[in-house]
Amino acid sequence: EAGVAQSPRYKIIEKRQSVAFWCNPISGHATLYWYQQILGQGPKLLIQFQNNGVVDDSQLPKDRFSAERLKGVDSTLKIQPAKLEDSAVYLCASSFRGGANEQFFGPGTRLTVL
Amino acid sequence: AQSVTQLDSHVSVSEGTPVLLRCNYSSSYSPSLFWYVQHPNKGLQLLLKYTSAATLVKGINGFEAEFKKSETSFHLTKPSAHMSDAAEYFCVVSDASYIPTFGRGTSLIVHP
Repeated sequence: EAGVAQSPRYKIIEKRQSVAFWCNPISGHATLYWYQQILGQGPKLLIQFQNNGVVDDSQLPKDRFSAERLKGVDSTLKIQPAKLEDSAVYLCASSFRGGANEQFFGPGTRLTVL
Repeated sequence: AQSVTQLDSHVSVSEGTPVLLRCNYSSSYSPSLFWYVQHPNKGLQLLLKYTSAATLVKGINGFEAEFKKSETSFHLTKPSAHMSDAAEYFCVVSDASYIPTFGRGTSLIVHP
């Protein structure tokens, strides 16, 4: 089975610019997660979707970050405007139904904000 | 609220010696607990998980973990380290809300 796909793999932007990341989960997986992983730290959950509804977005900086999962399949995460501290790897993961189910992770997008 | 603490940021062992990576959790409910591994330039992969069945959980590549409710711990062990085990390991807790929380990670270094 195909894994979780993410694009782009790398992105370099100037501060105050905008950027968008795309994620296509494993077919049939209802739950989709976006994480931010800063160098040397564990992944921090930004937003969790169940189908096309939001389960949790308590750690999403909503003044600059937004995410959507139209039609309950693929998802986009946007940052506008970017700050230096947004430099990180953005991971997308999916699971069959969340909860105690295993999460399958994509390769991540490495964002550098200059 | 739930939280997870990985007690060591780095663990260094010699090849062929036992591995112990420590994890303590805090959760208001009976949690689900996971260990994930992240090899350099590779994606995160599940090693094992505990979901209220047997307290001793066996995972891939010879790893196992024991859920101890009285100690709120879920330590990861392996009897004999291989060079290929060198990686970053993450302990994850998920309570009844099903929202996962990752620990900060433990870097396992294996010396020949």
